[in-house]
Amino acid sequence: AQSVTQLGSHVSVSEGALVLLRCNYSSSVPPYLFWYVQYPNQGLQLLLKYTTGATLVKGINGFEAEFKKSETSFHLTKPSAHMSDAAEYFCAVSPQGGSEKLVFGKGMKLTVNP
Amino acid sequence: NAGVTQTPKFRILKIGQSMTLQCTQDMNHNYMYWYRQDPGMGLKLIYYSVGAGITDKGEVPNGYNVSRSTTEDFPLRLELAAPSQTSVYFCASSYGIITGGKYHGYTFGSGTRLTVV
Repeated sequence: AQSVTQLGSHVSVSEGALVLLRCNYSSSVPPYLFWYVQYPNQGLQLLLKYTTGATLVKGINGFEAEFKKSETSFHLTKPSAHMSDAAEYFCAVSPQGGSEKLVFGKGMKLTVNP
Repeated sequence: NAGVTQTPKFRILKIGQSMTLQCTQDMNHNYMYWYRQDPGMGLKLIYYSVGAGITDKGEVPNGYNVSRSTTEDFPLRLELAAPSQTSVYFCASSYGIITGGKYHGYTFGSGTRLTVV
């Protein structure tokens, strides 16, 4: 079985500051890992994903994440926050080689202060 | 390309009433999903379908029913609405299996905000 832990529910950064959103997973088989973003009153959209190959993956809007198997982590980062990054971010996991039924974390709301 | 379309966007139900949340996709995706989103709880899978005529329970199926008569449509039925079903409901679709290392991703609808009073 798979699970995702996103510690905390809210993070606040200043515009131009580093964004770091943490995600740890539990999986009995090699995982596929994803970050989704939800802007206010919208559905979720894929930000980036790790399936196989390079462990540092780049996504849209300058975000990137690194898969660290030894730490069972997939933290999301962005060097410089922009006001438009304010949203809720969800980490998700699914098992490699199996059906694509995602298990989502509880989400992290990012606030960007001017 | 419309993607995943959900209707209605908002609805207020009285306790005990019934309703159907509609979901249609035009991407020929095999897999479809219903999630509910509650504040601070993330997304919980209600039901999913791997193809027309096949449905299965997710994590929180009680109080809901689904059907999948066509590839395109995956309606969610609430038979006797309860206050605990107040939530935002999201429908999503995907190709299902990650093939050849290529991930096609979930496409989400914009959600239905349901309040039961």
